[in-house]
Amino acid sequence: GQQVMQIPQYQHVQEGEDFTTYCNSSTTLSNIQWYKQRPGGHPVFLIQLVKSGEVKKQKRLTFQFGEAKKNSSLHITATQTTDVGTYFCAGRSGGSYIPTFGRGTSLIVHP
Amino acid sequence: NAGVTQTPKFQVLKTGQSMTLQCAQDMNHEYMSWYRQDPGMGLRLIHYSVGAGITDQGEVPNGYNVSRSTTEDFPLRLLSAAPSQTSVYFCASSRAGGSDEQFFGPGTRLTVL
Repeated sequence: GQQVMQIPQYQHVQEGEDFTTYCNSSTTLSNIQWYKQRPGGHPVFLIQLVKSGEVKKQKRLTFQFGEAKKNSSLHITATQTTDVGTYFCAGRSGGSYIPTFGRGTSLIVHP
Repeated sequence: NAGVTQTPKFQVLKTGQSMTLQCAQDMNHEYMSWYRQDPGMGLRLIHYSVGAGITDQGEVPNGYNVSRSTTEDFPLRLLSAAPSQTSVYFCASSRAGGSDEQFFGPGTRLTVL
């Protein structure tokens, strides 16, 4: 079945440093979504990418979808303590109703 | 709108007991899903539904049953609880499945002794 790999599993940064998490799929994706889960909370939708090579920005967050639609990344510039949490990618292949989630990257920001 | 609601928030069961986790949404979404979240394992799909009366298995369906008699409700039944089912369970709904954002409930933390 479809697999979505996400790295790294954990990332410690000093406040103000940048952070990137990467997502790779074994199959071509129709779209990819990104979610954030704060400690003790539930996943919250951030964004969806659909087009090959698409880049979207939300303030300090930059999301990219690869040209082959098999990989994606989330980059956070100048991390803040409010960025702490686990970031998940979720990719959907053409025949699937429900996306497959990666295992997530937990971001720890040290003040 | 309440969004997606789940009850209970916490539950402790003994091995072999059965129970139902409740999930309801008031957004008239057709798609609903159940996930379990274990440390380092991400969100794994248990069962999902694409509309009332239609359900299908996800990645880890064994030991769980679902039904969808109404658009609003999607209960998850544990038939005979096992310690391996200790986890946090999330219910989610979406308007258009994987091509639309999923709204997650607050989760149920289940411990099986």
